[in-house]
Amino acid sequence: GIQVEQSPPDLILQEGANSTLRCNFSDSVNNLQWFHQNPWGQLINLFYIPSGTKQNGRLSATTVATERYSLLYISSSQTTDSGVYFCAVEYVTNAGKSTFGDGTTLTVKP
Amino acid sequence: ETGVTQTPRHLVMGMTNKKSLKCEQHLGHNAMYWYKQSAKKPLELMFVYSLEERVENNSVPSRFSPECPNSSHLFLHLHTLQPEDSALYLCASSQDIGQGLLNTEAFFGQGTRLTVV
Repeated sequence: GIQVEQSPPDLILQEGANSTLRCNFSDSVNNLQWFHQNPWGQLINLFYIPSGTKQNGRLSATTVATERYSLLYISSSQTTDSGVYFCAVEYVTNAGKSTFGDGTTLTVKP
Repeated sequence: ETGVTQTPRHLVMGMTNKKSLKCEQHLGHNAMYWYKQSAKKPLELMFVYSLEERVENNSVPSRFSPECPNSSHLFLHLHTLQPEDSALYLCASSQDIGQGLLNTEAFFGQGTRLTVV
């Protein structure tokens, strides 16, 4: 069925380490976004990236639409990066509806 | 600060109470959304409004009643809720719906943590 799979489900890092989060999707997409949900519950829009590569400071993301995956890179992680990272997609066959993955819970230790 | 503000941040209510959640955006967006996030579950879309008209209702129980009086404000009226309705309720906005909810970037509020006792 239509789904969004994120991996790993949980990730624990030491401050300063780099990490890669993955989002696999099962069909062609119109749109894809990465969000960070901080420990207080707020969702922050990180990248709007249906294809290609974008960078914003220590974060970057790449979506390879033909291979149905997106990657979120976090470099030189900081404790404030802790939280849940969600990938959300809009499938071509399900236009108008957004599907969220289960998220990756990141804990960055000092 | 994302430009989308939700109040209250926390709410505890009894099953017989009536309460309302408020969402406000000053981004000039035309579309607003309510999402529910239960523990250990992905976000679930509840309602979508475009230019103050409801365009999506994802089989949400009638004890949840949305209201969009203008393009900057969105309410979620709650009555006779159940304990399983306890969750984080998130409001979002985007410039337009266009061809899909993620056609343009979506911005989320801080959420309201609701506990039904």
